[in-house]
Amino acid sequence: DQQVKQNSPSLSVQEGRISILNCDYTNSMFDYFLWYKKYPAEGPTFLISISSIKDKNEDGRFTVFLNKSAKHLSLHIVPSQPGDSAVYFCAARRENAGGTSYGKLTFGQGTILTVHP
Amino acid sequence: KAGVTQTPRYLIKTRGQQVTLSCSPISGHRSVSWYQQTPGQGLQFLFEYFSETQRNKGNFPGRFSGRQFSNSRSEMNVSTLELGDSALYLCASNAGGRAVNTEAFFGQGTRLTVV
Repeated sequence: DQQVKQNSPSLSVQEGRISILNCDYTNSMFDYFLWYKKYPAEGPTFLISISSIKDKNEDGRFTVFLNKSAKHLSLHIVPSQPGDSAVYFCAARRENAGGTSYGKLTFGQGTILTVHP
Repeated sequence: KAGVTQTPRYLIKTRGQQVTLSCSPISGHRSVSWYQQTPGQGLQFLFEYFSETQRNKGNFPGRFSGRQFSNSRSEMNVSTLELGDSALYLCASNAGGRAVNTEAFFGQGTRLTVV
């Protein structure tokens, strides 16, 4: 049962254009969503996050949009740069009883982004 | 502030052996989580420790275990290694506790190869 899905295994974009990475989830109990960037044989690097009470969060070139009714989130990178080429993972955290923040993240399968010069 | 440190970076073991991996979280972080990354399964949650107690566990067999020490450093152990245990093992730390919107920061990982 894959609760977080990234349906596009890969995405190719020209430098300077917008990259849009998509993520869908099925568990309505998820309360916090994160995007990570990963290079081979390295740990994921945190990019940006969004709480379920918001619909948009922006940090520099990165913007994450959350559509709770559709259970969909997307990461926009504008403008895209060749150094952005990596695997991007969407992750979700489920709210726990008592309101404590547990560390368990559920990850999507990742999308390989290639930005061409 | 130092990041998450995992040791060793690379490890080769034989089937049937056991292995122990180590993780030192970011200073002040009390939660440590472990993940397994394989090409077929992606990033899978193993378990989380907070204040020396396991408070969440993924769907892995009992051969996978862990512990956390009073200084928040954590170890994970895999006994009776199988070829399918070959993977990148990642450790993540976050502040934990009742901090609602906290990010998990990952170490570089330990690449385990079972032959």
